[in-house]
Amino acid sequence: EIVLTQSPTTMAASPGEKVTLTCRASSSVSYMYWYQQKSGTSPKLWIYDTSKLASGVPNRFSGSGSGTSYSLTISSMETEDTATYYCQQGRSYPFTFGSGTKLEIK
Amino acid sequence: EVQLQESGPGLVKPSQSLSLTCSVTGYSITSNYWGWIRKFPGNKMEWMGYISYSGSTSYNPSLKSRISITRDTSKNQFFLQLNSVTTEDTATYYCARTGRRPLYFDYWGQGVMVTVSS
Repeated sequence: EIVLTQSPTTMAASPGEKVTLTCRASSSVSYMYWYQQKSGTSPKLWIYDTSKLASGVPNRFSGSGSGTSYSLTISSMETEDTATYYCQQGRSYPFTFGSGTKLEIK
Repeated sequence: EVQLQESGPGLVKPSQSLSLTCSVTGYSITSNYWGWIRKFPGNKMEWMGYISYSGSTSYNPSLKSRISITRDTSKNQFFLQLNSVTTEDTATYYCARTGRRPLYFDYWGQGVMVTVSS
């Protein structure tokens, strides 16, 4: 099973600040997927195929990476970005998720 | 618009079976793949399994022989059955759709919280 390790676990960013969330895989994967989950709601697909933004996702978000190291970046933090972000791999069964990064606004 | 809605009991006794239904509107379950994912208290998420457009299934080995995913194409619904539940199965259960290849989940239900307790 591929284990995904996200860092940091929790972080707070000021409005306008650049934010980078990291996801490391225990084995190489071809792509990484990211979900945003706000309190009391279901996860939403946020980034797919490592770097493609899902429908409706603001272009201040970007994704990158390869092999075992991937990241989600927000170029300029906004209040509405407060959420927990999960990475997920679909390279091998069982599909696995990271433990999430909780992102808050300062 | 694709919409998924979970339904089922919110409380199940230990050793009994957990049964959930996912009702899909706006898209046929005879296309794509349809899965179940759960989120435990403390935020860990686990993929449980899926049923494909053809009815074939794939399950997380961690659930061994306890899990079954089936469907009713006439009602555009698919189902989760998890047997011999324990308190460790307490979680929020989500149904979700994958793309044409089962790589990621692009539409999710709102989730149903299931507590296992006597």
